[in-house]
Amino acid sequence: EPEVTQTPSHQVTQMGQEVILRCVPISNHLYFYWYRQILGQKVEFLVSFYNNEISEKSEIFDDQFSVERPDGSNFTLKIRSTKLEDSAMYFCASSGTPGLSGYTFGSGTRLTVV
Amino acid sequence: QKEVEQNSGPLSVPEGAIASLNCTYSDRVSQSFFWYRQYSGKSPELIMSIYSNGDKEDGRFTAQLNKASQYVSLLIRDSQPSDSATYLCAVRGGSQGNLIFGKGTKLSVKP
Repeated sequence: EPEVTQTPSHQVTQMGQEVILRCVPISNHLYFYWYRQILGQKVEFLVSFYNNEISEKSEIFDDQFSVERPDGSNFTLKIRSTKLEDSAMYFCASSGTPGLSGYTFGSGTRLTVV
Repeated sequence: QKEVEQNSGPLSVPEGAIASLNCTYSDRVSQSFFWYRQYSGKSPELIMSIYSNGDKEDGRFTAQLNKASQYVSLLIRDSQPSDSATYLCAVRGGSQGNLIFGKGTKLSVKP
């Protein structure tokens, strides 16, 4: 079964550093998403990406965050100048037809900011 | 602010029983509804999607939707210990299909 692949599985970074989280969506999917889940809290939408541009973003996705699809397969989330409160699981998801089918989530990257 | 509400539980049922999980949502125009299962430390895994009023069955799982009451439920028949997980209700929130999740209901199935 097709999978969404995320790397790394766990990243520890110092406060103020930049991190890049990587995702390889399912190859024939066109819609890509980043979500995050702070420990013990609900899964929160960050951003959606379609046709090589951001299509929707939440209030969480401020200037500290950016996304990119640098080539035909990778989808990245960059967090500039990380803060302690950025510590969370970050999930990438992709969909062929949003709303008509469920999303496939990657296994996640656990980001720990120290 | 669009909200999805779930009872956080924990919900404890004996093995073989029916587990009933409930969810309400605030946006009356929502059209797509999903149930995900999440094991501790893992990513959400899609169990069911439902778009029309009524019941939808898939194996031991039945999703029920009542748009007039803004209510979605998930029934798990013949519950197994391996069903022990947190069940997340999600509603499509945006034009590009982003999901709004509830906090999840933790289910524990006792052998």
